[in-house]
Amino acid sequence: QSVLTQPPSASGTPGQRVIISCSGSWSNVGRDNVYWHQQLPGTAPKLLIYNDYQRPSGVPDRFSGSKSGTSASLAISGLRSEDEADYYCAAWDDSLSGYVFGTGTKVTVL
Amino acid sequence: EVQVVESGGGLVQPGGSLRLSCAASGFAVSNYWMHWVRQVPGKGLVWVSRINPEDEGGITNYADSVKGRFTISRDNAENTLYLQMNSLRVEDVAVYYCIRDLFGPRETWGQGTLVIVSS
Repeated sequence: QSVLTQPPSASGTPGQRVIISCSGSWSNVGRDNVYWHQQLPGTAPKLLIYNDYQRPSGVPDRFSGSKSGTSASLAISGLRSEDEADYYCAAWDDSLSGYVFGTGTKVTVL
Repeated sequence: EVQVVESGGGLVQPGGSLRLSCAASGFAVSNYWMHWVRQVPGKGLVWVSRINPEDEGGITNYADSVKGRFTISRDNAENTLYLQMNSLRVEDVAVYYCIRDLFGPRETWGQGTLVIVSS
């Protein structure tokens, strides 16, 4: 049972903007950095966002991260068919002394 | 090329043990934070354990669900990370991933190894 809550699904048409939320608490999202991974079907996850909003080299600027209080968001602009995947947020949890992942959001491109 | 390759998964009875290996190439495991993350097929990601770099003391952390049963370690000479899993339970069934520098800009995942716990 994850302590970071995400909507189970999100969808949009090509070119639209989709926003995925990640709700936590003051022991995780509210205290530490938030990270986002993308997992394409049948593959290992890939880091999209680290330290709340930074993108690793090679990640398109269509992906952006933000955080306010105990909630974080991942925005995907200019949605493409290849963005169909599962997306997970994560953060260190001080109460658990370990990392926690979000429940995951499946993005569908209509 | 930086790469990590997991092995050691398989079928084990409840209460049994397995040791997962993660062979690294292109970098030294002793110099990086190394993690294990697991995923039940079709379900979400769960962080399992980490070990910090040798020069930072090699401190380890575990998820509550595996604390006291799993042990993360590394062999610098073999450049390999391990996860010793004891007292395995049905709920430990998952694909186990080895990751270099999880959550960092140079994060590298392996392909995973499947652990099945069943009688």
